[in-house]
Amino acid sequence: AQSVTQLDSQVPVFEEAPVELRCNYSSSVSVYLFWYVQYPNQGLQLLLKYLSGSTLVKGINGFEAEFNKSQTSFHLRKPSVHISDTAEYFCAVNRNTGGFKTIFGAGTRLFVKA
Amino acid sequence: NAGVTQTPKFQVLKTGQSMTLQCAQDMNHEYMSWYRQDPGMGLRLIHYSVGAGITDQGEVPNGYNVSRSTTEDFPLRLLSAAPSQTSVYFCASSSLGTGAYEQYFGPGTRLTVT
Repeated sequence: AQSVTQLDSQVPVFEEAPVELRCNYSSSVSVYLFWYVQYPNQGLQLLLKYLSGSTLVKGINGFEAEFNKSQTSFHLRKPSVHISDTAEYFCAVNRNTGGFKTIFGAGTRLFVKA
Repeated sequence: NAGVTQTPKFQVLKTGQSMTLQCAQDMNHEYMSWYRQDPGMGLRLIHYSVGAGITDQGEVPNGYNVSRSTTEDFPLRLLSAAPSQTSVYFCASSSLGTGAYEQYFGPGTRLTVT
């Protein structure tokens, strides 16, 4: 079985500062990894995904994440955040063979202050 | 394309009542799923389907029923509502052809059971 741990429940940061949202996963099989974003009162939308290949993955809105197999981590980063990045961010994992059950982390609330 | 639509947006039920949450997608996706979102717990999978006539249980299926008679629709039925089912419910869909289970989410239904 897979599990996902998001290490911070809330991350406050000033506008234009860099941010890192941390995600660790556990799995006995190879996985696909995802980051989703949820803006207030909306559904989730995909930010980026890791399937295979390069361990540095770029997504929408200037976000990127790095897959580290040895540390079983998939941390999300942005070099300079905007007020509009205020949202909840979810890390998720799925088996890459016949895995129909996506497991989500508990979420990290990013709050960008002016 | 409308994407994934959910109705109603809000619902209040009394304990013991039954209701159906509607979900539809117009992207011809084979995979559809239902999640519930509770504070501090992320999203938990209730039921999912990989095609018309095929459904299976997720992490938290008790108290919920599903059926999939068409590719487009995947309703979620609460048989006898309980206060523990107060939550925000999200429907999602995905194309199995991409093999990566990137999911598209609806806007959610906020359910309160009193």
